[in-house]
Amino acid sequence: EVQLVESGGGLVQPGGSLRLSCAASGFTFTNYAMTWVRQAPGKGLEWVSTITGSAGDTFYADSVKGRFTMSRDSSTNKVYLLMNSLRGADTALYFCARARATRRLLMDDWGQGTRVTVSS
Amino acid sequence: DIQMTQSPSTLSASVGDRVTITCRASQSISGWLAWYQQKPGKAPNLLIYEASSLESGVPSRFSGSGSGTEFTLTISSLQPDDFATYYCLQYHSYWTFGQGTKVEIK
Repeated sequence: EVQLVESGGGLVQPGGSLRLSCAASGFTFTNYAMTWVRQAPGKGLEWVSTITGSAGDTFYADSVKGRFTMSRDSSTNKVYLLMNSLRGADTALYFCARARATRRLLMDDWGQGTRVTVSS
Repeated sequence: DIQMTQSPSTLSASVGDRVTITCRASQSISGWLAWYQQKPGKAPNLLIYEASSLESGVPSRFSGSGSGTEFTLTISSLQPDDFATYYCLQYHSYWTFGQGTKVEIK
């Protein structure tokens, strides 16, 4: 069974940093790209970042480029999202999802999310 | 950047109704479009990929169609479990979600 478990969310002040983690199990981790998607309170879904499975190439939404860094560790089957210079607009539920290269990096399985609140 | 315009934003329907949701892309995305269902407090669930392919385990009352810039999700006979919010996603060039359509009880 595919499992994706996010952690690391919490309350942080504007300008602060936070690192989210996503622990993956139930599939061959290196065969899949991984993606972060967020959802602000009462709002829709927004793609944030993707990292490929093999080369580890990363892609970012314009809204987070230069502030967020996504990485992966194949020895622990985890992906990370390091978030710097956080703003109120970054307040959201952050979902981790796996994405198949054979499906053009479409997200199929998702975790339940970790909540980030940016506020003073 | 590709923009996705989803309509309607809210849809009121009854059990047994046929429901159609539309998604338009700001430029051609070929058939690289997916549909997700999301219930409150839960992660999205993939329903349709490549515009018209049904994800494994998804009921056959869900179907998708379209190509290029215009796409539709159809629920042939709305069931109580289908009241939720639906999102389209283009994955032709990076990833962009539509704004969502909330299907509520009439």
